[in-house]
Amino acid sequence: SQQGEEDPQALSIQEGENATMNCSYKTSINNLQWYRQNSGRGLVHLILIRSNEREKHSGRLRVTLDTSKKSSSLLITASRAADTASYFCATNFGNEKLTFGTGTRLTIIP
Amino acid sequence: GAVVSQHPSRVICKSGTSVKIECRSLDFQATTMFWYRQFPKQSLMLMATSNEGSKATYEQGVEKDKFLINHASLTLSTLTVTSAHPEDSSFYICSATDRGRRFTDTQYFGPGTRLTVL
Repeated sequence: SQQGEEDPQALSIQEGENATMNCSYKTSINNLQWYRQNSGRGLVHLILIRSNEREKHSGRLRVTLDTSKKSSSLLITASRAADTASYFCATNFGNEKLTFGTGTRLTIIP
Repeated sequence: GAVVSQHPSRVICKSGTSVKIECRSLDFQATTMFWYRQFPKQSLMLMATSNEGSKATYEQGVEKDKFLINHASLTLSTLTVTSAHPEDSSFYICSATDRGRRFTDTQYFGPGTRLTVL
């Protein structure tokens, strides 16, 4: 399976702290994307990083990509209760299809 | 922008019946639409990819006769679960890529449909 793995599977932190989640994948990619899913809802696109990029920022989000290690990380700074959700990385191999990772369930404790 | 809707949001049906789920791109024309299935606390698994006016491409292991996909226009795709059984109960999510954007590798997701087969 080409499905990526995310680590940790679950993460609980205090509000205001930073949250870091990692994604590893198996084959060369065109780009890697991060999505958020609130319980029982659809996915919201957060950020896309291309294979020739190493770091990208969007608001409180910071994504890094290390193609030599086939891994990516998502950092959420100054977490808020509203950040509680599941976060998925998804890899694109050059066509339009995405392969989703196993997900990290993030809980922000007020 | 880039809003995708799904209808219905929840459906409960009896075993053996067929259920149709609609996926619409509301403010853009979709190059491609995708159908995913998600079991509780698990990741999304791609079921099929559909392009307007052509037959859907199904992922390995997905029964095309059971999960019928019709992509009749650039803004509408439907998934019909035929002769549904309890094991088909799941969360079905569609997504679409926007043909009007320079890069079409970002997918915009619908809110999902919770199917429960009794």
